[in-house]
Amino acid sequence: SQTIHQWPATLVQPVGSPLSLECTVEGTSNPNLYWYRQAAGRGLQLLFYSVGIGQISSEVPQNLSASRPQDRQFILSSKKLLLSDSGFYLCAWEAGTLGEQYFGPGTRLTVT
Amino acid sequence: AQSVTQLGSHVSVSEGALVLLRCNYSSSVPPYLFWYVQYPNQGLQLLLKYTTGATLVKGINGFEAEFKKSETSFHLTKPSAHMSDAAEYFCAVIGVQGAQKLVFGQGTRLTINP
Repeated sequence: SQTIHQWPATLVQPVGSPLSLECTVEGTSNPNLYWYRQAAGRGLQLLFYSVGIGQISSEVPQNLSASRPQDRQFILSSKKLLLSDSGFYLCAWEAGTLGEQYFGPGTRLTVT
Repeated sequence: AQSVTQLGSHVSVSEGALVLLRCNYSSSVPPYLFWYVQYPNQGLQLLLKYTTGATLVKGINGFEAEFKKSETSFHLTKPSAHMSDAAEYFCAVIGVQGAQKLVFGQGTRLTINP
């Protein structure tokens, strides 16, 4: 069966520090991968998606970036965090062609 | 393009009462529709999905939803609410033609009163 991992689970970082969040998927190959953000009390905001190694599409211009160095690894990064980057970050993988997505447990990021 | 509107950002029901969470969608192509549930500080979990065929779909935890094309709706129901149903619920739509992405509604927070 397929599983999706995210780490770390929680993170507290000062403004201006770098960020690296990692997502890995097991049990499937060549999945479409997604990064979402949830600000407090808000819905899901799609940040990036990837249909293959090295292929990244950005949905929202901001100081975040994403990379996909391996088939089942998706990384979210920032060189300098802003207060507004605080939120709950979710990684998801897409199953087949029906559009359904399966989510990881999330990373709670607090920028202080 | 697709869009989703969830009516009511917050719904409160008594334990044992009917749960009804409303979702209306807009899609220029036939849609696939989904409901997800999110418990505090967790990822989203797929509750149920409509792709083709029977318009009444059953999901986990006793939830079901009915696809009504004429009303462009996909409301989520459960006959009898349980305290463990308290969570955030998201409706989502994807068009089945072309390069589409899943589009989520803003979510409805369900509170269960004892």
